[in-house]
Amino acid sequence: NAGVTQTPKFRVLKTGQSMTLLCAQDMNHEYMYWYRQDPGMGLRLIHYSVGEGTTAKGEVPDGYNVSRLKKQNFLLGLESAAPSQTSVYFCASSYSRLADQETQYFGPGTRLLVL
Amino acid sequence: QKEVEQDPGPLSVPEGAIVSLNCTYSNSAFQYFMWYRQYSRKGPELLMYTYSSGNKEDGRFTAQVDKSSKYISLFIRDSQPSDSATYLCAMSEPYSSASKIIFGSGTRLSIRP
Repeated sequence: NAGVTQTPKFRVLKTGQSMTLLCAQDMNHEYMYWYRQDPGMGLRLIHYSVGEGTTAKGEVPDGYNVSRLKKQNFLLGLESAAPSQTSVYFCASSYSRLADQETQYFGPGTRLLVL
Repeated sequence: QKEVEQDPGPLSVPEGAIVSLNCTYSNSAFQYFMWYRQYSRKGPELLMYTYSSGNKEDGRFTAQVDKSSKYISLFIRDSQPSDSATYLCAMSEPYSSASKIIFGSGTRLSIRP
């Protein structure tokens, strides 16, 4: 099993460009999450999904959109990238909704630099 | 004030030393406490978790919770160079969604051979 994979690993964008980050999991997990990690800020939840076809906003959703058309994939889109979106993005998945019932499994991350 | 505070380090100790990593929090409703380990350029992985107060031991690692002080600790005994990583604390209220987990900003640890 590959677990959680993310594509691409690294990307440089110019301000105003758009891109999509892909997350895929092969563990048949219902729940998937997108986080961003910035120095001194910890992991902050952007959007999450509780199942195929569903999405919900997290702590810092502005400037991002997501889609979950297939259970195994969770896409994060930036329609018009801004330098403030320079960050490391992590996708995670879990079997259970509850924090204390099942661990979250994280992908290796996508490093995004917006110039 | 952040809900969870964690000293970013870096913390550098010699091999074999006992390491103490700590987090403080402000929400007294937190009862589920986690420690994640994150190697450089990798995603976090769950290292240990504890419920409510007390200690939990797993090999060289001990997680400790002091709810009265709103303070959690992770101790690493006989530290090894392979323990060099960033350690994130995380916590949540009971029966809450994983979307409500609050993460600390992480402490970078380096073990010198």
